[in-house]
Amino acid sequence: AQSVTQLDSQVPVFEEAPVELRCNYSSSVSVYLFWYVQYPNQGLQLLLKYLSGSTLVKGINGFEAEFNKSQTSFHLRKPSVHISDTAEYFCAVSVRDTGRRALTFGSGTRLQVQP
Amino acid sequence: NAGVTQTPKFRVLKTGQSMTLLCAQDMNHEYMYWYRQDPGMGLRLIHYSVGEGTTAKGEVPDGYNVSRLKKQNFLLGLESAAPSQTSVYFCASSYRGTGSEQYFGPGTRLTVT
Repeated sequence: AQSVTQLDSQVPVFEEAPVELRCNYSSSVSVYLFWYVQYPNQGLQLLLKYLSGSTLVKGINGFEAEFNKSQTSFHLRKPSVHISDTAEYFCAVSVRDTGRRALTFGSGTRLQVQP
Repeated sequence: NAGVTQTPKFRVLKTGQSMTLLCAQDMNHEYMYWYRQDPGMGLRLIHYSVGEGTTAKGEVPDGYNVSRLKKQNFLLGLESAAPSQTSVYFCASSYRGTGSEQYFGPGTRLTVT
């Protein structure tokens, strides 16, 4: 079975500073990788995903993530954050070989952007 | 185009009571999912469906039942609610399974006293 570890439960950062949210996964087979964002009192929405091809993936709102197969990581980055980026971010994985399984989520990282 | 909608938004139950949560999607998606979200645990899959008339167990199915009688609807039932089922419940849908973006509803906050 696959699993996802988000190493930081909370990340405080000042506005306009860069940020990296860390995600590591474990799986015995090839996976697809996702980052979702959850704004307060809302559902989740997709930020970006890695299916294949270039290991650097660009998403919405200026976020990007890099897939590193040797380190089994998929860290999320943004060069300059805004107050509006304050939210909870979830890394998720799904297994390539079957169309039936849903996503396995990490425990989430709360990004707190301070003025 | 409403996307994924959930009813109700909030509910308080007493231990032993039953209820049904309704999820509806208007995107003609084949796959639908029910997750629960608890603090510090991310989202965990309860049940899912790969098409009308089909359902399957997820990671934490005990105490829940589901039905998918129509393609656009996915119902989650609690037959005898327990305090451990206090959570926020999210429904999601996707065009296909693995690799497809999942679209989430706004959630239902359930408290069992």
